[in-house]
This record gives sequence, C-alpha cells and structure tokens, in this order.
Amino acid sequence: GGIITQTPKFLIGQEGQKLTLKCQQNFNHDTMYWYRQDSGKGLRLIYYSITENDLQKGDLSEGYDASREKKSSFSLTVTSAQKNEMAVFLCASSIGDRVAEQYFGPGTRLTVL
Amino acid sequence: QQNVQQSPESLIVPEGARTSLNCTFSDSASQYFWWYRQHSGKAPKALMSIFSNGEKEEGRFTIHLNKASLHFSLHIRDSQPSDSALYLCAVKRTNTGKLTFGDGTVLTVKP
Repeated sequence: GGIITQTPKFLIGQEGQKLTLKCQQNFNHDTMYWYRQDSGKGLRLIYYSITENDLQKGDLSEGYDASREKKSSFSLTVTSAQKNEMAVFLCASSIGDRVAEQYFGPGTRLTVL
Repeated sequence: QQNVQQSPESLIVPEGARTSLNCTFSDSASQYFWWYRQHSGKAPKALMSIFSNGEKEEGRFTIHLNKASLHFSLHIRDSQPSDSALYLCAVKRTNTGKLTFGDGTVLTVKP
C-alpha cells in the first residue's frame, strides 16, 4: 500500500498573498492531480501531471500554478489568494492517466482573510 | 466540455432500504465511469467502476451503465448507516487524463 501526504493541513492567508500547497506520494505512481472542492460539492481539476516534468491544465487553472518537482511530489501555488476563498484542495495520484483508480490525499483546507 | 450531473442532491433513507443514485453525462465518447465515496472530513475513495454497457455487482453495490442514454447509476442494497457519505460520479474519455466529477449526492442512512 501507499499514502499521499498533503501539507499543510490548514492554510490561512491574506488576500493577494501567494500560497503554496505541497503533496507527496509513495505509491510510485506516474500521474498526479490537484483538485479543488468547494463545500459539499464535487471536485474540479486544477492541474495534472502525467509524468515527471509534464504539466497539463485542468478546467480551473486560472489563478494557479503547479510544479512537478520529482515523480513523488507535486506542488500547487495560489498566485494571488482571493478574499473569502474557502475550499479544500485535494491531491491525487494514479498509476497512469487512462483507466487507473485515483488515490486521494486528506486535503488542505484554505481560508483567505 | 464534459457536463456531469447527479441526482438527487441529497437523499435520506432508512437502514435496510435499497438506494439509487443517478449520474448523467454529456460526452458520448466517454469510456470510463466511476463512483467515488467521501465520508465527512475524509478523502474521496473509489468505490466501483464500469467500462462497458450493462451491469456490475460487487457485494451490496451495483452499477448500471447505459451509454446510449448517457446515464449510469449506483444501487445500494440493504443500506447501512456506515454508507452515509457524499457519493461522487466521475467520467473519463480515453485520450485524456481528465476525470470529470459531478457535484455529488449526499446520502444519509437513518438507523
């Protein structure tokens, strides 16, 4: 088995601030994802990375940057946090980008004051 | 762009009931269909998947897929309080890594 670790668990920032969320996985999976989940809602894809050094935009990439530093880690940057932006950011990984199940981390809850 | 809709938004059923959750999608080229379950405060976890028309059963859970109707569903037999969670359907095409999720159905099973 494996595990996905997301840091920090809670992130509080100021409006306009640049904020970085980190994700590590030890599944040895090729593909990693960042999703945003607003309260009680579904997941919207922000960025994904099929392999190390690859980066693909999702449906919600505006206002975010991502970086796949190595196979096991994938970071997400909120380039300018918006006031009242409250959501949980979920990192996931899968063996490939085709039919494989995605495994999710516990999430980072973001609050912007 | 894929549009995935779930119904109902929320559902309360008594313990032991049969529960049905629905998902419709807009892209007829969709090939892979998933149900994920997310207990409150926890990470989503894959429950079941189906890749061809028809039915697939795993324990108390059954998926039905009808690609022509752009519809698939999850049925839970003998619902348990531990089944109370947010259920998310998700759809994917073959030539992209994107998995598109619906907004979910909140299921509450009353003891």
